[in-house]
Amino acid sequence: DSGVTQTPKHLITATGQRVTLRCSPRSGDLSVYWYQQSLDQGLQFLIQYYNGEERAKGNILERFSAQQFPDLHSELNLSSLELGDSALYFCASSRPERGGPYQETQYFGPGTRLLVL
Amino acid sequence: TQLLEQSPQFLSIQEGENLTVYCNSSSVFSSLQWYRQEPGEGPVLLVTVVTGGEVKKLKRLTFQFGDARKDSSLHITAAQTGDTGLYLCAGTSSNDYKLSFGAGTTVTVRA
Repeated sequence: DSGVTQTPKHLITATGQRVTLRCSPRSGDLSVYWYQQSLDQGLQFLIQYYNGEERAKGNILERFSAQQFPDLHSELNLSSLELGDSALYFCASSRPERGGPYQETQYFGPGTRLLVL
Repeated sequence: TQLLEQSPQFLSIQEGENLTVYCNSSSVFSSLQWYRQEPGEGPVLLVTVVTGGEVKKLKRLTFQFGDARKDSSLHITAAQTGDTGLYLCAGTSSNDYKLSFGAGTTVTVRA
């Protein structure tokens, strides 16, 4: 158990719909990262928040948005869903390390499996 | 396209055999991490290497970071069925918060 929790575990929805995925980081971690894992694209970084502020952006579509709340939990909102959005969505969290960001260990949650029909 | 290329994509071996997984890139990384992911779970960090030429050992697993910090390898000695899983390498550039993952190597260790 990494200490990172994600809900829901599974989500089935239809094209055009909107869903919200939730992540609670490990106690004490200030950074939250979102990743998408699909069979053809592998694990892709979407976005990172640090203490409520957006810090880094990856291959995140405009239909997707995220935020981190004052209690440090984060939500990933996916809208106008398409069949190709079906994937595993992972959240990870980390805390600052003296050596810099590349020394931080990211702890991954169990993921949310999204199926768009 | 993947910034980090992993090979082989699939590996199936008998228990007790050795195996090596490679992770290559044309980019220089400040750090490189290896993860193992089991079905239905998130990736779990195995090791982080940050110095060119660095070798780290974790029981039967040996990790090496290339001198130029562009490549890495993971060697498992006397593989066990519990080593079965998806092995992912991931790299970060200096002061970059983004982890770039390779496509992964699926390792199956047969009893």
